[in-house]
Amino acid sequence: DAGITQSPRHKVTETGTPVTLRCHQTENHRYMYWYRQDPGHGLRLIHYSYGVKDTDKGEVSDGYSVSRSKTEDFLLTLESATSSQTSVYFCAISESQGALRGYTFGSGTRLTVV
Amino acid sequence: GQQLNQSPQSMFIQEGEDVSMNCTSSSIFNTWLWYKQDPGEGPVLLIALYKAGELTSNGRLTAQFGITRKDSFLNISASIPSDVGIYFCAGMNYGGSQGNLIFGKGTKLSVKP
Repeated sequence: DAGITQSPRHKVTETGTPVTLRCHQTENHRYMYWYRQDPGHGLRLIHYSYGVKDTDKGEVSDGYSVSRSKTEDFLLTLESATSSQTSVYFCAISESQGALRGYTFGSGTRLTVV
Repeated sequence: GQQLNQSPQSMFIQEGEDVSMNCTSSSIFNTWLWYKQDPGEGPVLLIALYKAGELTSNGRLTAQFGITRKDSFLNISASIPSDVGIYFCAGMNYGGSQGNLIFGKGTKLSVKP
């Protein structure tokens, strides 16, 4: 979507390997989020960031780490990928925590761990 | 934590039919949002509701913020094939510490031409 880009769009990786997904925004929004989407579970928050170097855990943070060294980039790392982390990952941004228009989502990264 | 119950989980309808889906919560929200996700894409905001009792339309879509602030519904009139996708409700409160947008699990809509 305009202003938010996720890369890669698709990735297949082997169990035990590290994987990093990137979210890049051009909107200068303060808040950035990582969600995973799985059938029957909807969207679940993994981690979020409320500023450069300021991050916090979400509902399903185990096995994931994040980093935000610049306003525009939010990285999600799977240190040692497992098959249970096969999912579609979405990044989202918002200008504030109570942004009236909610979050803007990227187009997603489909990750398959074999 | 807060949870949203969205129903139905899926719907199979004929083109031209009206659609209704809803979301309920055990907690109150200050804002209700409805998103649509097209296949292979991220969710996109359809309608935002900010006041209890508010009724808002966006083309063939109509959504309402429940008077108790614990529920919301979305109606789609005269469905067309491009309505296919997953519809998510989301509730939001201001403040809080863990990202304050709570999502329902989605309603998957299939439209038969």
